[in-house]
Amino acid sequence: DAKTTQPTSMDCAEGRAANLPCNHSTISGNEYVYWYRQIHSQGPQYIIHGLKNNETNEMASLIITEDRKSSTLILPHATLRDTAVYYCIVRVAYGQNFVFGPGTRLSVLP
Amino acid sequence: DVKVTQSSRYLVKRTGEKVFLECVQDMDHENMFWYRQDPGLGLRLIYFSYDVKMKEKGDIPEGYSVSREKKERFSLILESASTNQTSMYLCASSLWVGTAKMNTEAFFGQGTRLTVV
Repeated sequence: DAKTTQPTSMDCAEGRAANLPCNHSTISGNEYVYWYRQIHSQGPQYIIHGLKNNETNEMASLIITEDRKSSTLILPHATLRDTAVYYCIVRVAYGQNFVFGPGTRLSVLP
Repeated sequence: DVKVTQSSRYLVKRTGEKVFLECVQDMDHENMFWYRQDPGLGLRLIYFSYDVKMKEKGDIPEGYSVSREKKERFSLILESASTNQTSMYLCASSLWVGTAKMNTEAFFGQGTRLTVV
């Protein structure tokens, strides 16, 4: 599975959009981009995933660049409850394991 | 909604005790996983199972064993607990879509914080 690089931490004002970047320059054609988050003392929570098209669900939007070497997770209106560590993971569809890196610690500020 | 339930949120055990951590999922998922999470080390895979009675070692299986007698239940066993096994333990499950030859996203339980004294 390809390696990902994320900023260590980010701040975002409450009510504003939070844009979390992820670099996966070695991604191969059959690898998906997944995003999870982990709120303090809880298990990781699935957010969204995509292959090459942009995706949107009730939690977030995922924008993947045309060359697929990077992506951005967008929380459109961040709330204090979105404060968490956000993990970007690249994995083949048939892969079973999820390899979690250190992630980005997002702090939503009032 | 998928539900992955771990039997305990907090557990304190003594060194040398045999410890059982239980995990149950209610969505008929084929795959189940046990991870441990430690500060600065992230999540590390201990064992996973892709079917009843099947198991595969993850990255750090030493000191652990697992049991999957029923599809919905995956147990992690610490044969003789040691202080270096003090950690947060996370169970997860995911679906295998055989027709598409893919594993879907994993769903995690709330975690068990185990302290070995």
